[in-house]
Amino acid sequence: EDQVTQSPEALRLQEGESSSLNCSYTVSGLRGLFWYRQDPGKGPEFLFTLYSAGEEKEKERLKATLTKKESFLHITAPKPEDSATYLCAVRDSGYSTLTFGKGTMLLVSP
Amino acid sequence: ETGVTQTPRHLVMGMTNKKSLKCEQHLGHNAMYWYKQSAKKPLELMFVYNFKEQTENNSVPSRFSPECPNSSHLFLHLHTLQPEDSALYLCASSQEKPSDEQFFGPGTRLTVL
Repeated sequence: EDQVTQSPEALRLQEGESSSLNCSYTVSGLRGLFWYRQDPGKGPEFLFTLYSAGEEKEKERLKATLTKKESFLHITAPKPEDSATYLCAVRDSGYSTLTFGKGTMLLVSP
Repeated sequence: ETGVTQTPRHLVMGMTNKKSLKCEQHLGHNAMYWYKQSAKKPLELMFVYNFKEQTENNSVPSRFSPECPNSSHLFLHLHTLQPEDSALYLCASSQEKPSDEQFFGPGTRLTVL
């Protein structure tokens, strides 16, 4: 059974204080790892897809990396508007649907 | 309208009521999904439709009944719900299953009294 574990559950940062969110996964064969951002009262917003170990993708202050067992979402010099819940999901080669983690709630204070 | 829209945004219903949630996607996609999001839990996939045909039913109780009349519209009919069914219900779409990128609607916040 696929498993996705995100840590920490919650993270509080000061504006400008860089950090990383972790997503550990267990799948039989990875067909994609996805990062989403979810603001309160809204649906998840797609950020990145990573397919193979060593792959990296960037968008503004966010950078996602992937190894064979985990992915990191690095946030460089965050701003208050980066506050949101960040969700990680995986697609296993044996399945066509996504398995989501519980998310990391990020709060960036000015 | 653009993207994925859902109505209503908020719904309060009693356990004996019948109500329906509506989802519409304006992206030209062929696959649509219903998810349930409860506090402290991962998103739970409920149903998947691909080209109007149901391809996944994730052991969802029969008090939830999906309907997909065409590739742009998806409904979730609710009947005799329980308080534990209170949650955020999210609709998503993708180009086709299994596509990589799913686009989500804003969700319907459901409260069952």
